[in-house]
Amino acid sequence: GQQVMQIPQYQHVQEGEDFTTYCNSSTTLSNIQWYKQRPGGHPVFLIQLVKSGEVKKQKRLTFQFGEAKKNSSLHITATQTTDVGTYFCAGPKGAQKLVFGQGTKLTINP
Amino acid sequence: DTEVTQTPKHLVMGMTNKKSLKCEQHMGHRAMYWYKQKAKKPPELMFVYSYEKLSINESVPSRFSPECPNSSLLNLHLHALQPEDSALYLCASSQAWDSNYGYTFGSGTRLTVV
Repeated sequence: GQQVMQIPQYQHVQEGEDFTTYCNSSTTLSNIQWYKQRPGGHPVFLIQLVKSGEVKKQKRLTFQFGEAKKNSSLHITATQTTDVGTYFCAGPKGAQKLVFGQGTKLTINP
Repeated sequence: DTEVTQTPKHLVMGMTNKKSLKCEQHMGHRAMYWYKQKAKKPPELMFVYSYEKLSINESVPSRFSPECPNSSLLNLHLHALQPEDSALYLCASSQAWDSNYGYTFGSGTRLTVV
């Protein structure tokens, strides 16, 4: 079954509004990765979180890894039309498998 | 070179055809992967190659046959596919075999089986 659950499945916002997607696992994760896939494109690696409680920022994007290493979030401040796409979290399943969450599709009204 | 190159970008094939998808990376990555992605779904792992050896086959039907000729190349040979095999096939690579490294994905081959 699916290793990581991601919500919401879809999010539509007005340009300038904030956006958050959440990822939850029933088991402790050694790390969690985030990817962005633009419409018609391929997944692009954004970041990896490894430490309990870790927070990393990339410009308007803030990534958090929960204290128990079972959940993670991606928050975008003041969305822009270039943020459109599907955001996936991905966690390891065993030593060599990376399993993706269902993804959150972000659409933006300019 | 920080890219994974996949060819062809689009492929239409009949159910009796034999075709191959190709993937190439020159980043010195030692792990390479094939993923399948259906519309509105996440990428789904098919195969993992580590140091040019097949290490994981996710119970993929034998009509899909992977091959790793060398550390830079990964092929996926297709034979007798079904229409439900139509999908985006993504190749990816990472520095090493364990899942502690981010993956670099190619732009994919959009496959249609008719």
